[in-house]
Amino acid sequence: QQQVKQSPQSLIVQKGGISIINCAYENTAFDYFPWYQQFPGKGPALLIAIRPDVSEKKEGRFTISFNKSAKQFSLHIMDSQPGDSATYFCAAMGGGSNYKLTFGKGTLLTVNP
Amino acid sequence: KAGVTQTPRYLIKTRGQQVTLSCSPISGHRSVSWYQQTPGQGLQFLFEYFSETQRNKGNFPGRFSGRQFSNSRSEMNVSTLELGDSALYLCASSPDPLQGSNEQYFGPGTRLTVT
Repeated sequence: QQQVKQSPQSLIVQKGGISIINCAYENTAFDYFPWYQQFPGKGPALLIAIRPDVSEKKEGRFTISFNKSAKQFSLHIMDSQPGDSATYFCAAMGGGSNYKLTFGKGTLLTVNP
Repeated sequence: KAGVTQTPRYLIKTRGQQVTLSCSPISGHRSVSWYQQTPGQGLQFLFEYFSETQRNKGNFPGRFSGRQFSNSRSEMNVSTLELGDSALYLCASSPDPLQGSNEQYFGPGTRLTVT
């Protein structure tokens, strides 16, 4: 059972464009939703995270939009740069003393110069 | 602060052998989690330790085990290695989820190849 579904699998955008990655979750007990960025040969790096009591969070060029009723959240990368080319993972955590992250399958983002 | 460190970075083992991987969390972090990353299954949770106690465990066979020491450093062990255990093993540290801090910071991983 895939509890966090991520789309698209891959995404190509032009420099300066907006990259949008979507995730949907099933477990309503989830209460923490981070996004990670991973470059080849590196571990995932925490980008930005949100809790369900807010609908949007922005940090620099990165914005998370959260829709609790639809059980969906998305990452928007504004003014995408070639250096943003990486794999992005959404994740979710929550439910009592459950401290494990459940990850989406990842999105390979390529930003063309 | 120094980040999460993992040793060794690369490892080649033969089927049937066992392996021990090590993780040093960020200074002051008390929770350590382990994840397996493969192209087919993605990132999957193995287990989480806090104050030397395993609090959460993922759906992996008993061949996968771990422990945490009093200085928060952690090790994971895989016994009777199988070809399918070839993966990137990632360690993540967190300050203290009980204090409302859920952020997990990952190390660079240990690339395990089983032949």
